[in-house]
Amino acid sequence: AQSVTQPDIHITVSEGASLELRCNYSYGATPYLFWYVQSPGQGLQLLLKYFSGDTLVQGIKGFEAEFKRSQSSFNLRKPSVHWSDAAEYFCAVLANAGGTSYGKLTFGQGTILTVHP
Amino acid sequence: NAGVMQNPRHLVRRRGQEARLRCSPMKGHSHVYWYRQLPEEGLKFMVYLQKENIIDESGMPKERFSAEFPKEGPSILRIQQVVRGDSAAYFCASSRDRVDNEQFFGPGTRLTVL
Repeated sequence: AQSVTQPDIHITVSEGASLELRCNYSYGATPYLFWYVQSPGQGLQLLLKYFSGDTLVQGIKGFEAEFKRSQSSFNLRKPSVHWSDAAEYFCAVLANAGGTSYGKLTFGQGTILTVHP
Repeated sequence: NAGVMQNPRHLVRRRGQEARLRCSPMKGHSHVYWYRQLPEEGLKFMVYLQKENIIDESGMPKERFSAEFPKEGPSILRIQQVVRGDSAAYFCASSRDRVDNEQFFGPGTRLTVL
């Protein structure tokens, strides 16, 4: 069964600083990978996804993530954080076989991002 | 171009009552997923449905919980005889198909059991 680990429960950065949120997954084949963001009391918004191809993917709001098969990682990065980026971030994996998904997203525990002015 | 709709947004029930949560997928989407977010826990998959079919219910508690997605109308997650431990945020997501699956989430229903 697939699993996702987000080692950092809480990260604090200053506005304007760079950001990297870690995500490690466990899955036998090449997974479909996602990063979602959740603001307090809200639903989840998709930031970016990786299905295949270029291992560096660009998302919304200036975020990017890099798929590294050798490290089973899919870390999320942003060069300069804005105060509005404060939220909880979830990495997720979707098992698939030959391009057809099994439908079930498995989420990490989430990383809460606090941004200091 | 409405997104995934969930209602009610907040639901309060007393122990032993029934809770019905509704989800209308995005236009053109025929696959629906329910997830639960318990306090201090992450998001956990509950059930995956297509129109009139349950595809995967491996995350559903064996008792009191059921889900349906009829040919017409929204998907319904039903919890019978609620207990305090059912208090959580319940999220619905939808996707167009199973190829390159991208799930779009609704705003959630926050269930409080008194």
